[in-house]
Amino acid sequence: GAGVSQSPSNKVTEKGKDVELRCDPISGHTALYWYRQSLGQGLEFLIYFQGNSAPDKSGLPSDRFSAERTGGSVSTLTIQRTQQEDSAVYLCASSLMAGGTETQYFGPGTRLLVL
Amino acid sequence: AQSVTQLGSHVSVSEGALVLLRCNYSSSVPPYLFWYVQYPNQGLQLLLKYTTGATLVKGINGFEAEFKKSETSFHLTKPSAHMSDAAEYFCAVSDAGGFKTIFGAGTRLFVKA
Repeated sequence: GAGVSQSPSNKVTEKGKDVELRCDPISGHTALYWYRQSLGQGLEFLIYFQGNSAPDKSGLPSDRFSAERTGGSVSTLTIQRTQQEDSAVYLCASSLMAGGTETQYFGPGTRLLVL
Repeated sequence: AQSVTQLGSHVSVSEGALVLLRCNYSSSVPPYLFWYVQYPNQGLQLLLKYTTGATLVKGINGFEAEFKKSETSFHLTKPSAHMSDAAEYFCAVSDAGGFKTIFGAGTRLFVKA
C-alpha cells in the first residue's frame, strides 16, 4: 500500500487478556517504530527495529509488552495480561532507514481500550 | 538525555491571526528538530524538520519554524491561520547518533471563525 497501515483500528478487551496489534510499514522502509499515545500525553517511544539488527526495546514499559518483526516487514506488538493503564492509541511508524534525520511516516493507530 | 517541552497544551487563535506554537528542547548534542501535525482521526504527518544549514525552515501549508540555538527553541509559526489548521501539533527532537525521536506532549490548536 501507499502508507503505513495498522490493524485493528479499534480493540476492546477485558483486563487480563492478551492482545496483538499489527503494523504494515511502507514497502522498502527498513526502520519501524512503535509508540504509545495516552490521553493528554505525547508520544511515548516503545520499540524500534532497523533491518535485521536486534531491536531497541528500551521503551517497553514492562515485560508484558513484546514486539517482533517478521521478514523485515510486518510487525506485531503483543501485550500480555492487559491492564487498564494499557488503554491508549498505539502508533506505528516507518522510515526509509533509521537515523536522526529521517522522516517517520505514521499509521492511523490502533485504539486499545482495556475494560 | 534529550527532552522537548511544548508550552501550552491548547492554543486558540482567530481565523487570519498569527499562529505561534512554542517548543523548547534540551540536547547535549546538536539536535535534529521536527514538527508533526495530527489532524482529527488521522495519523501524524511531518510538517517540517531542521537538520543542518539554514535555521529558518519552511514546511507545508505555510508553516515555518526557526531553530535558535541560543534559546534552545524551535517555535512554529504561520502568518495567517485557516480553519483547516485546527489540529494537534507535536514538536520532536532526535540526534545524529541516535535513532530515537523524543516527542513533546503536543499542542492542540483551535481556530475560531
